Amino acid sequence: GENVEQHPSTLSVQEGDSAVIKCTYSDSASNYFPWYKQELGKRPQLIIDIRSNVGEKKDQRIAVTLNKTAKHFSLHITETQPEDSAVYFCAASISRDSNYQLIWGAGTKLIIKP
Amino acid sequence: DGGITQSPKYLFRKEGQNVTLSCEQNLNHDAMYWYRQDPGQGLRLIYYSQIVNDFQKGDIAEGYSVSREKKESFPLTVTSAQKNPTAFYLCASRPGTGAYEQYFGPGTRLTVT
Repeated sequence: GENVEQHPSTLSVQEGDSAVIKCTYSDSASNYFPWYKQELGKRPQLIIDIRSNVGEKKDQRIAVTLNKTAKHFSLHITETQPEDSAVYFCAASISRDSNYQLIWGAGTKLIIKP
Repeated sequence: DGGITQSPKYLFRKEGQNVTLSCEQNLNHDAMYWYRQDPGQGLRLIYYSQIVNDFQKGDIAEGYSVSREKKESFPLTVTSAQKNPTAFYLCASRPGTGAYEQYFGPGTRLTVT
């Protein structure tokens, strides 16, 4: 079945450095790829997303790149800050019998070291 | 996502009891979803509904039931048939056709002893 693989499971970076999280999806029909940030005990919050007709999207320190041929997409965070510490989830859209849902990666725990 | 509410925030039940988790949204969103999250794990889809009076099973529907009698409400019942119900339950909604992003409620942490 469809799946999304996310790597690494844990990422520790020095404050001010960049962080990159990668996801690979299996369904070539997927056309929407969001990234969510979840702080401990809180709800996941959408931080950036990209659609299949775009190769890259930026929002201040955050960017997402998409390679449809290779079926992978990545989250890039530059100039990391302590408040970036959280678990990040990627997802890819699928449609089953006209019913739309997201397939989720397992998450990456990002640790920003002071 | 401020328009999605879940209650209660914490819920404690004895084993063998059914319990219903509330999810309400005032965003006029068509689609609603229920996810389960275990400690240190990702999101697993329980049930989802694209329109009123219609819903589909997700990947882990066994031991759960839902209803969608109103557009703004999508309650989840955790039945005694669910073998390990202790988890963090998240409800989400999506605007509808052509809009893909999902917005989450604050979650309900269910503990069954």
